[in-house]
Amino acid sequence: AQSVSQHNHHVILSEAASLELGCNYSYGGTVNLFWYVQYPGQHLQLLLKYFSGDPLVKGIKGFEAEFIKSKFSFNLRKPSVQWSDTAEYFCAVNARRWASKIIFGSGTRLSIRP
Amino acid sequence: DGGITQSPKYLFRKEGQNVTLSCEQNLNHDAMYWYRQDPGQGLRLIYYSQIVNDFQKGDIAEGYSVSREKKESFPLTVTSAQKNPTAFYLCASRTTRLEGSGNTIYFGEGSWLTVV
Repeated sequence: AQSVSQHNHHVILSEAASLELGCNYSYGGTVNLFWYVQYPGQHLQLLLKYFSGDPLVKGIKGFEAEFIKSKFSFNLRKPSVQWSDTAEYFCAVNARRWASKIIFGSGTRLSIRP
Repeated sequence: DGGITQSPKYLFRKEGQNVTLSCEQNLNHDAMYWYRQDPGQGLRLIYYSQIVNDFQKGDIAEGYSVSREKKESFPLTVTSAQKNPTAFYLCASRTTRLEGSGNTIYFGEGSWLTVV
């Protein structure tokens, strides 16, 4: 079955700590990959996306993600988090063969201690 | 302003009643989606539509129905057959062009449905 796994359900960090959130998917073909963020009380917005080319993708607010095809992974990273990064983060996958179907992971809640 | 409008924002339903959630977009997007968001379960796909008059079941379509008579509109009906309908429902859309921002999915602000 097609799936997207985010193994970290809740991550708690102090400000200035480094962040890495895991995302793995279970489809072997060509994929488009996304990270979305949902700040408290706000709707989902795109952080970054990968379509093709350089597997290291840079997004907004200092976030980046690396696509490792051999590991079916698209982990999200940030070298130094801020309190304002407190939010829920969702990984999503669209496989070219699925046409428009997009599947999301279960989300990771990130809490930053000031 | 361009965007996705969901209504109502909050809705209460009695058990055994059907209810319809509205989703309208003025982004000229071809594809539209309905997701359900529950704590700890992320976003689960209910239905999606790639084009007018066509729609496909997602992972949790049982107890839901949709229609796509117009490009701008993709209403979701939560029927009495849905066993656990209390949730936050998100509508989304995107263009199906592959280049540029074609694959980015944009979300509405969501609708809270509570069954009482």
